[in-house]
Amino acid sequence: DVKVTQSSRYLVKRTGEKVFLECVQDMDHENMFWYRQDPGLGLRLIYFSYDVKMKEKGDIPEGYSVSREKKERFSLILESASTNQTSMYLCASSLFGTGARDTQYFGPGTRLTVL
Amino acid sequence: QKEVEQNSGPLSVPEGAIASLNCTYSDRGSQSFFWYRQYSGKSPELIMSIYSNGDKEDGRFTAQLNKASQYVSLLIRDSQPSDSATYLCAGEGNQAGTALIFGKGTTLSVSS
Repeated sequence: DVKVTQSSRYLVKRTGEKVFLECVQDMDHENMFWYRQDPGLGLRLIYFSYDVKMKEKGDIPEGYSVSREKKERFSLILESASTNQTSMYLCASSLFGTGARDTQYFGPGTRLTVL
Repeated sequence: QKEVEQNSGPLSVPEGAIASLNCTYSDRGSQSFFWYRQYSGKSPELIMSIYSNGDKEDGRFTAQLNKASQYVSLLIRDSQPSDSATYLCAGEGNQAGTALIFGKGTTLSVSS
């Protein structure tokens, strides 16, 4: 079974703090993704990575950065957290390097609250 | 900007009925479409994918794709209360097809 794990289920941070969200997958998947999910706005892609050290911006990259130093790990970084980044963050991974035909497997999510 | 649109619902059907979920997309060049199910408080999970015009059946689920009209649908036959969830439609989000763009989801409620 594919397993995607995220470092925290719930996280509370202060405005201006630097926040790291970690995601690990155990199936040697090429692609990894970070989404945020908000009521009424749905699931929106922040960044994705198709290889180690490779990244591409998604639809809403502003205020975020990412790091992929190892194939199995993809980190989302909020350089200076703001209240409008309060959200559910979901990590996903998929197997192949190209083609949207590959199933994306999601982690359990991290609910981040920025006060 | 590519878009995938769904009615947010809620869609309410009685147990045993057919639930019909619809989705339209803006990019005529998109080839691959997906339906994910998300239970409240849980992560999305893939239930169907479809790449060709026509119908694709898997158990009680049938996905339909009409590229000329740019719509995708999901039919759930013999709906069960356990089908109550939010259903997310997704299409290709970028040129390479490595990323997906999701609709906002349709909430289905099946009453017993």
